[in-house]
Amino acid sequence: DTAVSQTPKYLVTQMGNDKSIKCEQNLGHDTMYWYKQDSKKFLKIMFSYNNKELIINETVPNRFSPKSPDKAHLNLHINSLELGDSAVYFCASSQDLPGRGYTFGSGTRLTVV
Amino acid sequence: QKEVEQDPGPLSVPEGAIVSLNCTYSNSAFQYFMWYRQYSRKGPELLMYTYSSGNKEDGRFTAQVDKSSKYISLFIRDSQPSDSATYLCAMKGGAQKLVFGQGTRLTINP
Repeated sequence: DTAVSQTPKYLVTQMGNDKSIKCEQNLGHDTMYWYKQDSKKFLKIMFSYNNKELIINETVPNRFSPKSPDKAHLNLHINSLELGDSAVYFCASSQDLPGRGYTFGSGTRLTVV
Repeated sequence: QKEVEQDPGPLSVPEGAIVSLNCTYSNSAFQYFMWYRQYSRKGPELLMYTYSSGNKEDGRFTAQVDKSSKYISLFIRDSQPSDSATYLCAMKGGAQKLVFGQGTRLTINP
């Protein structure tokens, strides 16, 4: 009964390829997020969706495109992968109430070679 | 200057020690303060949550917020090897996004 699940857990791919990461939450939360964690463990927000609507779009290359088919799912598609895209990508969700913490998935470790 | 600053460590202490982890921040709008714990190869999990200034205790963990100094702390008493993890402070104001510190890697040595 995983609350926030991401697939795949690991992804190794060559430069220039296109890949997708999927995320699903069964908590009934209204808002979902994508975070990128670099090698120094710094977590930086990339996107946020509230009820399928994009509400946060940080300074992220437009090779990254999120898609939310419904409020329980938020996928991340990455075009033309670069070496610098190697990181751990975390999906998270939260209730639409001030101050509520986020529930994170276990991450997708992306390695671009 | 980053909105949230956290000493990345690493920090290594003997079992049973009191651990103090700290963050400073620059955004006066932050009202909600959290500490997350992240084990190796896992996602962050919410450990403590406080609103505005003051202390909050939960078992061996105490979270402190000093809004006047823009400074938050997490204390771990009687530290255990199972507390070894990366600890991330996080904060937000109202409906704004959650902003994380860099995380402090903590090791408790038996």
